[in-house]
Amino acid sequence: LAKTTQPISMDSYEGQEVNITCSHNNIATNDYITWYQQFPSQGPRFIIQGYKTKVTNEVASLFIPADRKSSTLSLPRVSLSDTAVYYCLARGAGANNLFFGTGTRLTVIP
Amino acid sequence: GAVVSQHPSWVICKSGTSVKIECRSLDFQATTMFWYRQFPKQSLMLMATSNEGSKATYEQGVEKDKFLINHASLTLSTLTVTSAHPEDSSFYICSARGGLAGVDEQYFGPGTRLTVT
Repeated sequence: LAKTTQPISMDSYEGQEVNITCSHNNIATNDYITWYQQFPSQGPRFIIQGYKTKVTNEVASLFIPADRKSSTLSLPRVSLSDTAVYYCLARGAGANNLFFGTGTRLTVIP
Repeated sequence: GAVVSQHPSWVICKSGTSVKIECRSLDFQATTMFWYRQFPKQSLMLMATSNEGSKATYEQGVEKDKFLINHASLTLSTLTVTSAHPEDSSFYICSARGGLAGVDEQYFGPGTRLTVT
């Protein structure tokens, strides 16, 4: 399990694109990068997962450079409802344990 | 698909009593379930890993005699907080591994807010 480092908090205005970068310098060859979103008093929700290059789904994009020592979650045109804590995790495929770091608290401002 | 439920969503109990929290995978079978605890404005901390039909594996520092975990079926795991004290007040979240075919991911329940008075 690679340790991840993220900014503690970010603010953004509605309608803007938000990029949250996560550092995972010690990522292992078989580690995948997964992002979760958590609203207050709710369980985390899976957003996106990737191994390398770019992954896109209906809610976000994930950019992973060739060295895989970092990754960037991109949220297009955020709304107030995107205010939440975003967690980045790096773990091996099939690994049981998920260890959550501090996460990034995103606040979307009207 | 891949829905995990928890019951109750919140509970208030008196110090010294025991509380049971249920975690169910509603539309898939989960051989492995996980229990997390989250204090206000802090991250999730893994407490234990629960495997169907076997004893749970507890993380360092988690008292197995205080936090009893039972995983009797492929869709149900329970966490019992025995002799609860105010310091056990927290947000307890379970997750289940499995779900959609070809996807190895953990799906989280909505959490249970425990308040011990």
